[in-house]
Amino acid sequence: GQNIDQPTEMTATEGAIVQINCTYQTSGFNGLFWYQQHAGEAPTFLSYNVLDGLEEKGRFSSFLSRSKGYSYLLLKELQMKDSASYLCAVVDSNYQLIWGAGTKLIIKP
Amino acid sequence: ETGVTQTPRHLVMGMTNKKSLKCEQHLGHNAMYWYKQSAKKPLELMFVYSLEERVENNSVPSRFSPECPNSSHLFLHLHTLQPEDSALYLCASRMSLDTGELFFGEGSRLTVL
Repeated sequence: GQNIDQPTEMTATEGAIVQINCTYQTSGFNGLFWYQQHAGEAPTFLSYNVLDGLEEKGRFSSFLSRSKGYSYLLLKELQMKDSASYLCAVVDSNYQLIWGAGTKLIIKP
Repeated sequence: ETGVTQTPRHLVMGMTNKKSLKCEQHLGHNAMYWYKQSAKKPLELMFVYSLEERVENNSVPSRFSPECPNSSHLFLHLHTLQPEDSALYLCASRMSLDTGELFFGEGSRLTVL
């Protein structure tokens, strides 16, 4: 079967750095998405990785290792508004998105 | 504002009611999706439409009935639902089935009494 694993919940301090991991086992791989979802709002696109390595976009970076079936989302200089759920999704061989259950990130002052 | 609009945002219905959820996208995308989101669970894909044709139906109970009259609009018709159907229903659109990221609407929070 296909499986995406990410931690259920993480806590970090304002101004710090946090890394949210995502591991996957899927039938084929055509890319990996990270989305942010604030409570009561729509998920919004953060990043897309299809090749190994690090993609940086402002305070957020996303890393992919296809050989290890592993990705992480790195958030720097945390702000209170970063409190949200972060969803990892892998595009399989049929171009379907397979979703993780999401990681709820709590930022404390 | 994601370019995908869902109505209503909140819906409470009894088990014998019939209601519909509406989704509209203003992005010129060819693919549209219905997802069910329950607490602490992955997004569950319900239906996928590409150019107004249904391409995916993930063993969804027949009490959920989708309709896609054109590439900008998607409906989810609901009838004789069960309390376990209470969830957030998300609509999304994508440039095509295999291109680009998904753009989500804000969701319709459904409560079945």
